[in-house]
Amino acid sequence: GESVGLHLPTLSVQEGDNSIINCAYSNSASDYFIWYKQESGKGPQFIIDIRSNMDKRQGQRVTVLLNKTVKHLSLQIAATQPGDSAVYFCAETLNNAGNMLTFGGGTRLMVKP
Amino acid sequence: SAVISQKPSRDICQRGTSLTIQCQVDSQVTMMFWYRQQPGQSLTLIATANQGSEATYESGFVIDKFPISRPNLTFSTLTVSNMSPEDSSIYLCSVTGQGTDTQYFGPGTRLTVL
Repeated sequence: GESVGLHLPTLSVQEGDNSIINCAYSNSASDYFIWYKQESGKGPQFIIDIRSNMDKRQGQRVTVLLNKTVKHLSLQIAATQPGDSAVYFCAETLNNAGNMLTFGGGTRLMVKP
Repeated sequence: SAVISQKPSRDICQRGTSLTIQCQVDSQVTMMFWYRQQPGQSLTLIATANQGSEATYESGFVIDKFPISRPNLTFSTLTVSNMSPEDSSIYLCSVTGQGTDTQYFGPGTRLTVL
């Protein structure tokens, strides 16, 4: 399958600051992208998604940006809190791929008090 | 989103044995998937569990090693057969509902093979 990668394996931020987690994907045919949060000992938790016909989507304290020109995805977390500490994965689905997800390598977010 | 449970939550097994992991959903779902997450790694899709027919396996995974059942729209099992220490991983099931592409994950089964 196509690869989905991340620029930074570990990101350390101060509590209250904004966090930006990046992801690059390689297949321009991908049409749906999801960000997951995985805390230690738990399964991935859905955070936010975006389709390829959009370039920005906002949720509660989170924003996903999609740049199809450079095949780049980012997750922005506003006012980062200790509870945001986790590993974050981006995932993509390919057109007509039966909902099959390809995951990126993951970024560990560490929030310093 | 659906509530997904997995049994067992963790297990320690001897090499050469087999373990069956169960995934139960509290509502009918369209698709069910099984993933493997090796220590410190990302998730890799093992197979799509198809109701009433053989699962669809990804490259590198075969039915003899990872037999899968899906007898109805709310339940699936994954068996890890003839285990070796390399099979030590977290095994996760995920589901999608009708009319949505979003996958939701179960809590995972942490398997350690000695």
